[in-house]
Amino acid sequence: AQSVTQLGSHVSVSEGALVLLRCNYSSSVPPYLFWYVQYPNQGLQLLLKYTSAATLVKGINGFEAEFKKSETSFHLTKPSAHMSDAAEYFCAVSDNGNNRLAFGKGNQVVVIP
Amino acid sequence: DVKVTQSSRYLVKRTGEKVFLECVQDMDHENMFWYRQDPGLGLRLIYFSYDVKMKEKGDIPEGYSVSREKKERFSLILESASTNQTSMYLCASSSGGTDYEQYFGPGTRLTVT
Repeated sequence: AQSVTQLGSHVSVSEGALVLLRCNYSSSVPPYLFWYVQYPNQGLQLLLKYTSAATLVKGINGFEAEFKKSETSFHLTKPSAHMSDAAEYFCAVSDNGNNRLAFGKGNQVVVIP
Repeated sequence: DVKVTQSSRYLVKRTGEKVFLECVQDMDHENMFWYRQDPGLGLRLIYFSYDVKMKEKGDIPEGYSVSREKKERFSLILESASTNQTSMYLCASSSGGTDYEQYFGPGTRLTVT
């Protein structure tokens, strides 16, 4: 089965600094990859997704992610953190053939003024 | 826009009660999912359904059952609620085929006392 690794359950970043969240996946077939964001007391909202087109994917709120097959990675970045980026972020990979997604354990991002 | 709604945002039940969590989607999606979310554990799949009256066990089905009598509605049932089922429950749907993107409801925070 496919799996996702997100290191560092809590990530602190200064306002205006680079946001970098790492995601590594295992998959036996070309994957579909997703980043979701969850604001407090809300459901998950799609930030961006990779579906085998361009390897650099741009999403909402200034986020982007790069698919690197050789590194089995799909790291999420934003050049300049904003206070409103404080949330939990989940990486997910498609589980081929059964419409499931495998989720990482999430990164709780704290933005320091 | 896809909309996934859940019957309650907050629910408090007593140990041993039968609990119904309802989820409705309005985009004619084939697939529906129930997850529970706990701090540090990410999202864990309880059950999913890829068609009316069809269901598949996820990773943690014990203590739960589901019902899908209509395409737009997917119910999660706790036959006899226990305190270890206190959690956030998230419903999601997807269109199926090669589109793995899942759309999430706002979640139900269930407390069992």
